[in-house]
Amino acid sequence: AQTVTQSQPEMSVQEAETVTLSCTYDTSESDYYLFWYKQPPSRQMILVIRQEAYKQQNATENRFSVNFQKAAKSFSLKISDSQLGDAAMYFCAYRRQGGSEKLVFGKGTKLTVNP
Amino acid sequence: GAGVSQTPSNKVTEKGKYVELRCDPISGHTALYWYRQSLGQGPEFLIYFQGTGAADDSGLPNDRFFAVRPEGSVSTLKIQRTERGDSAVYLCASSPDRGKNIQYFGAGTRLSVL
Repeated sequence: AQTVTQSQPEMSVQEAETVTLSCTYDTSESDYYLFWYKQPPSRQMILVIRQEAYKQQNATENRFSVNFQKAAKSFSLKISDSQLGDAAMYFCAYRRQGGSEKLVFGKGTKLTVNP
Repeated sequence: GAGVSQTPSNKVTEKGKYVELRCDPISGHTALYWYRQSLGQGPEFLIYFQGTGAADDSGLPNDRFFAVRPEGSVSTLKIQRTERGDSAVYLCASSPDRGKNIQYFGAGTRLSVL
């Protein structure tokens, strides 16, 4: 079974600084997708960024970028120029290609942004 | 609607009671997922619908849990004989179809079993 591990229960960053959240996963599949979701206190999961495993190029979305290391099964999220609105729980998730394509989530990292 | 809608937002019930949680997906989305998020954990998969049929119910914890989607749109998650361990946030997500598409989540229903 696939598993996702987030080893940092909590992280903090100063406003305007850069922070990196870690994620590792375990799978025997070759085709899959990786995601970072943000969950503010409103509870709604919001997609931050997505990476397709067959793509070597790291995904970027404005201030958010990933470092995808397929061989090491590592998928970290870098947030640049952190803003107060970035404070939330961040979940790393895995989804295989095919089947039900259900998401497998890590336990999350709580990010605090200090003014 | 503009997004995935879940009702009620919060539900408090007593141990042993029956509850129904509703999910209204984004119009036109054929895939619908239910997840359960316990305190301090990430969401865990419960069941997946493609259209009206439950294509994967491998995440349902036991036979007290059941879900339906009779017309391929709104889905209801039903929990019989609730237990305190069922207390969690129940999240629903929908997607246009299988494949590369993103799952869009609702705000969830927080279920508290006293």
